[in-house]
Amino acid sequence: NAGVTQTPKFRILKIGQSMTLQCTQDMNHNYMYWYRQDPGMGLKLIYYSVGAGITDKGEVPNGYNVSRSTTEDFPLRLELAAPSQTSVYFCASSSTSGSGETQYFGPGTRLLVL
Amino acid sequence: GENVEQHPSTLSVQEGDSAVIKCTYSDSASNYFPWYKQELGKRPQLIIDIRSNVGEKKDQRIAVTLNKTAKHFSLHITETQPEDSAVYFCAATRDSNYQLIWGAGTKLIIKP
Repeated sequence: NAGVTQTPKFRILKIGQSMTLQCTQDMNHNYMYWYRQDPGMGLKLIYYSVGAGITDKGEVPNGYNVSRSTTEDFPLRLELAAPSQTSVYFCASSSTSGSGETQYFGPGTRLLVL
Repeated sequence: GENVEQHPSTLSVQEGDSAVIKCTYSDSASNYFPWYKQELGKRPQLIIDIRSNVGEKKDQRIAVTLNKTAKHFSLHITETQPEDSAVYFCAATRDSNYQLIWGAGTKLIIKP
């Protein structure tokens, strides 16, 4: 049971490039989340999903897109990368909604946009 | 919507002393309050949580208290050890909400 896995661990992008951050969970969780964490700051929700085919915006969705074609996978797409997207990105999952169920986090993807 | 404020932003305590981190929330319908610990360079991990039908919960050296009337909850760490050094996040939510509303975090420093 690997839990939540993320790839890549680290990536450098040039301004204007695009990339997809991968997230996979093997716990059969319905709920999945993408957060970003800027240096020395807290967690900000980008997008979340309550099941395959269902996604919704969080607090800071601009510049990102998501899809959820399977229960296991929840990729995050960055289009036209900007320096403001330099951050650590965490994917998380839980078996129900936020009330009473632990969110399990992946190890994170560190992204640097130059 | 819900708003969670967390204080202090940084807390420095002597090893062996106690540490207390406080959070206040705005939505009286919130009924679940978890605390996460994030060590440097690592992912956040749940350390303890409490529901609104309970006033206090303990797990070894860690405890959480909840005051529903005042709408605040606190994390208490006793006999602090070097491995307690980390950033601690509080959060709040209610049954109908898909999201956790996070506090800004507290950096806990344990001085030897």
